[in-house]
Amino acid sequence: GIQVEQSPPDLILQEGANSTLRCNFSDSVNNLQWFHQNPWGQLINLFYIPSGTKQNGRLSATTVATERYSLLYISSSQTTDSGVYFCAVNKGGGADGLTFGKGTHLIIQP
Amino acid sequence: NAGVMQNPRHLVRRRGQEARLRCSPMKGHSHVYWYRQLPEEGLKFMVYLQKENIIDESGMPKERFSAEFPKEGPSILRIQQVVRGDSAAYFCASSPGGTQYFGPGTRLLVL
Repeated sequence: GIQVEQSPPDLILQEGANSTLRCNFSDSVNNLQWFHQNPWGQLINLFYIPSGTKQNGRLSATTVATERYSLLYISSSQTTDSGVYFCAVNKGGGADGLTFGKGTHLIIQP
Repeated sequence: NAGVMQNPRHLVRRRGQEARLRCSPMKGHSHVYWYRQLPEEGLKFMVYLQKENIIDESGMPKERFSAEFPKEGPSILRIQQVVRGDSAAYFCASSPGGTQYFGPGTRLLVL
C-alpha cells in the first residue's frame, strides 16, 4: 500500500516562531488531508489539499502532487498549536479509507 | 450542522465482554469510516461503509470485530470478547465523498 512519511517526528519551538512540517507519500493520491490532534485527543481538520496551496489564518499548506509531497506552514506559533499534526492520503477514487503518517509532535513553549 | 457524533466517549470493559461503539455521521454524509489509534501509534483505517453496505473492510481484524451501517440509525462497531490489546481510541469519520470529518472518538479501556 501507499507509504506516508512525516518529518520531523518531534519539534519544540518558542511561542511566536514559524515552522514547516513535511509529508512525503509514495504514490499518486486523490485525497490529502492535514489534521491537528490536540492534547485532548480530538482530530481537527486543517486542510483538504490534494494539490495546490491553501491558507487559513496563520496556517497554510502546499501540495506538489507531481513530486509527492505536502508542506504545512505554521506562522507565529501559539501554545494552543501544540499537539500532533497528521498527514493522511488515499489513492482510490477519493472515497477510500485514509492512510496516515506517524505524525509530527509539536510543542510550543511560552 | 452538527459534527460527527460518537458515543460513548469512554468505555470500560472487562476481558471477554462485548464493546459496542456508535457513530452518527454528519447530516447528508453517506460514507462512514472507522479508524483505530493504539497507544503511541498513528491512526489505522479499519472499515469503510455506506448505508447497508460494507465497501472496504481490509483494515478490520479477521476475528471478533464487525461493523454495520443500517438503513436507519447510527453506524456500529462491535468488538466481541474484548482483550487488553483492544484498548485504544476508536474514531469514526464521515464524508459526502472527499474530505473526511472525524468525530471525537471513543476511548476503550479493557481491564
